[in-house]
Amino acid sequence: DAKTTQPTSMDCAEGRAANLPCNHSTISGNEYVYWYRQIHSQGPQYIIHGLKNNETNEMASLIITEDRKSSTLILPHATLRDTAVYYCIVSYGKLTFGQGTILTVHP
Amino acid sequence: DAGVTQSPTHLIKTRGQHVTLRCSPISGHKSVSWYQQVLGQGPQFIFQYYEKEERGRGNFPDRFSARQFPNYSSELNVNALLLGDSALYLCASSFPLGQGWDEQFFGPGTRLTVL
Repeated sequence: DAKTTQPTSMDCAEGRAANLPCNHSTISGNEYVYWYRQIHSQGPQYIIHGLKNNETNEMASLIITEDRKSSTLILPHATLRDTAVYYCIVSYGKLTFGQGTILTVHP
Repeated sequence: DAGVTQSPTHLIKTRGQHVTLRCSPISGHKSVSWYQQVLGQGPQFIFQYYEKEERGRGNFPDRFSARQFPNYSSELNVNALLLGDSALYLCASSFPLGQGWDEQFFGPGTRLTVL
């Protein structure tokens, strides 16, 4: 079973920041937080991962709370092409996907 | 560089038949994982292979089997197909760094329909 809780769906206006929350209150000390997204009919795409510290790459930023029980994925300037299902995963090894959050970016 | 490739793209089988799905990882990647994604749900882990050895197995029946070849490509076999096996089968490759995390690159998947 997935060890994360995410909202079922979220909306965001194009050009605005999209903040996707994830709760993972049972995370173990050695488990990483991963974010993947899946655009319709395609394979999932890796976005970012982190262990304790906040992380940023060319796609997004990952904010992990100090107790590591929750995290937020930030897409700084959402575009229509960011409309997808976003999966938050905690793992040491194999990936266990939950239902994810359906993010819809509106013009 | 070529990404993960899977074949065939689509496949239609009937109940009781068997099927073989194929995956070629990204060049240099030594680990291959298989996932099943039923419509409306997230991908479910089936197998992981690394250096031709099975490293992990999900909660799937023995009708599902896989193997990895010396060139790191992989096959997923499913016997005695059931209607419930209809799904998108995803392959992902990675180059595990031994640190407990690895970035998995997914292929486009094989859409299996069982009639």
